[in-house]
This record gives sequence, structure tokens and C-alpha cells, in this order.
Amino acid sequence: RKEVEQDPGPFNVPEGATVAFNCTYSNSASQSFFWYRQDCRKEPKLLMSVYSSGNEDGRFTAQLNRASQYISLLIRDSKLSDSATYLCVAYTGGFKTIFGAGTRLFVKA
Amino acid sequence: NAGVTQTPKFQVLKTGQSMTLQCAQDMNHEYMSWYRQDPGMGLRLIHYSVGAGITDQGEVPNGYNVSRSTTEDFPLRLLSAAPSQTSVYFCASSGQGGSPLHFGNGTRLTVT
Repeated sequence: RKEVEQDPGPFNVPEGATVAFNCTYSNSASQSFFWYRQDCRKEPKLLMSVYSSGNEDGRFTAQLNRASQYISLLIRDSKLSDSATYLCVAYTGGFKTIFGAGTRLFVKA
Repeated sequence: NAGVTQTPKFQVLKTGQSMTLQCAQDMNHEYMSWYRQDPGMGLRLIHYSVGAGITDQGEVPNGYNVSRSTTEDFPLRLLSAAPSQTSVYFCASSGQGGSPLHFGNGTRLTVT
């Protein structure tokens, strides 16, 4: 079983839609969590950190459920420019950062 | 702000050749790492360093060597290239464990 698992998608949604990505992690000792965005043939870039209390950044909301070892990312009012791959990331300590394989999102006009 | 700089951007090697991928960061980060990214596999850690003179193996270290003589530089050496090493390689750095990673632009390597 992979340490961080994501639905690979692709998710195909129209502009303006709300889309949710889910991610599970297997190591209960994981300490911090992130969502990264990766555009085609580019490097991953930090989208947002994920906190137990949940956090929001504009149209993006991230949630963490430690009991279920589950992380989510909600994108509201999808834009064409949101089309990318979204990577779920867990830091398990000792400089060990584990990436999920990513979920592809296509937003269409 | 240069951030993390990787060179070259593209490279084609023949089986058995050796080469070094360069990585430099100007953020005074202690932690640096190398990942490879293959379709459907996500990013996998090759080697990492927590400071000058200190390196350790990640998930897929075989066929690769690293060294860290300065805080800024963390080169990755392919000793004898194999087609299985065809991949996209990313160098990353962070200020401390648990902090977000800053990535370089990547090196696309093809081994024929």
C-alpha cells in the first residue's frame, strides 16, 4: 500500500464548478501536510499547507482529519487556469516527505 | 530571486555513460533533496542532505551518488546510466524538516 494515496482522476469539470480531491495517508505519525500544484512539464509548487482546524485561501479550502488519516482539497468556482495536477504531501519526520501520485484536473469552458 | 537552480534542463545519454545533474540554491537552506518523477508513480526520493557534509539515501538510491560540500550545492551523479533512469529529476530544498519544499525547474533525462 502506498503511504499517500490519491484518486488519479482525471476530473473533468466545467468552469464554475466545485471539485473536491481526497487523499489518505498510512503513517499515523505524519506531522504536517501540504497540497502542491503541478502544471504540465513544470515543477511542483506549494498551493497550501493543511492544518487540523482546516484552512482557506480564496477559492481553496483544505481539511485534515487525523482520526481517519484523510486530507481533502476543495476548489470552488473552478477556473480554466486551475487545470493542473494536484499533489497531496505528508511529512513524516526526519526530513521524510512523501508525495502522492497526484490527481489531474481539467476545467473546461 | 533565483531560488533553486537546476542544470541542464534536458539531457540524452547512452547506456553506460555517466553524468552529473547540478543543483544550487541561494536561500541558505540546510535541507536539499533529489526526486525522480515517473508517470503514475509520483515523486520518489533518491537522496537527501540535511547539511554540508551530510547525505543519506532515500527510497530509490541505487545507481546514483550525491555529495554536499557546500550549503548551496547538491549535485546528483549517475554512475552508469541505464534506460530505467529515464525520468524527470527535481531538486528541492527547505529551511527545516516539515517546511514546504522549493523545487528547481527539473531535468528531463533520456537514456537510450
